[in-house]
Amino acid sequence: QKEVEQNSGPLSVPEGAIASLNCTYSDRGSQSFFWYRQYSGKSPELIMSIYSNGDKEDGRFTAQLNKASQYVSLLIRDSQPSDSATYLCAVNDGAGNMLTFGGGTRLMVKP
Amino acid sequence: DTEVTQTPKHLVMGMTNKKSLKCEQHMGHRAMYWYKQKAKKPPELMFVYSYEKLSINESVPSRFSPECPNSSLLNLHLHALQPEDSALYLCASSQALQSGDGYTFGSGTRLTVV
Repeated sequence: QKEVEQNSGPLSVPEGAIASLNCTYSDRGSQSFFWYRQYSGKSPELIMSIYSNGDKEDGRFTAQLNKASQYVSLLIRDSQPSDSATYLCAVNDGAGNMLTFGGGTRLMVKP
Repeated sequence: DTEVTQTPKHLVMGMTNKKSLKCEQHMGHRAMYWYKQKAKKPPELMFVYSYEKLSINESVPSRFSPECPNSSLLNLHLHALQPEDSALYLCASSQALQSGDGYTFGSGTRLTVV
């Protein structure tokens, strides 16, 4: 059973702070890792993808991958109230077949 | 065109009705997916189509019937649904089933069964 685990939160951070979202996965053969943002009542939106160990930066977002520890994280710098949403971690299996989603972490950024 | 378009956005149907959800993409993606999402839960995979053929059916009740008329279109036919089937139904697509890339989701259909 492939599992992707996230803390459900809510994670509450003040505006301007760094929000750190974490995800662990069980399938050691996993190759592709994704972060989706989902606003309440809306569909998931792909915001970051990462395929190799290390950091990947895109604007205020940084994804970090550590395959040895089976751990992927998302850092949001200078958090804004508009970042308040549920963040879904998704992992593609080693065969590149299917995405497995974590349960999501609800982020609240307070003005 | 980098969008997945779903219609209708909202649907209310009775338990004896027959309705269809539609999904369309023009990105040349060859894998398309139907997901069901209940409130405060992650998306739950229902069906996967790869090159217009049903690849995965995650033990979904027969009152849900998928159809892929061509590489751009995906339908979900609904019949004799139950109130517990009320949820957000999401369509997604990716380049191919084994491309290892992320999925692009449509905006979803909010379904209420009364």
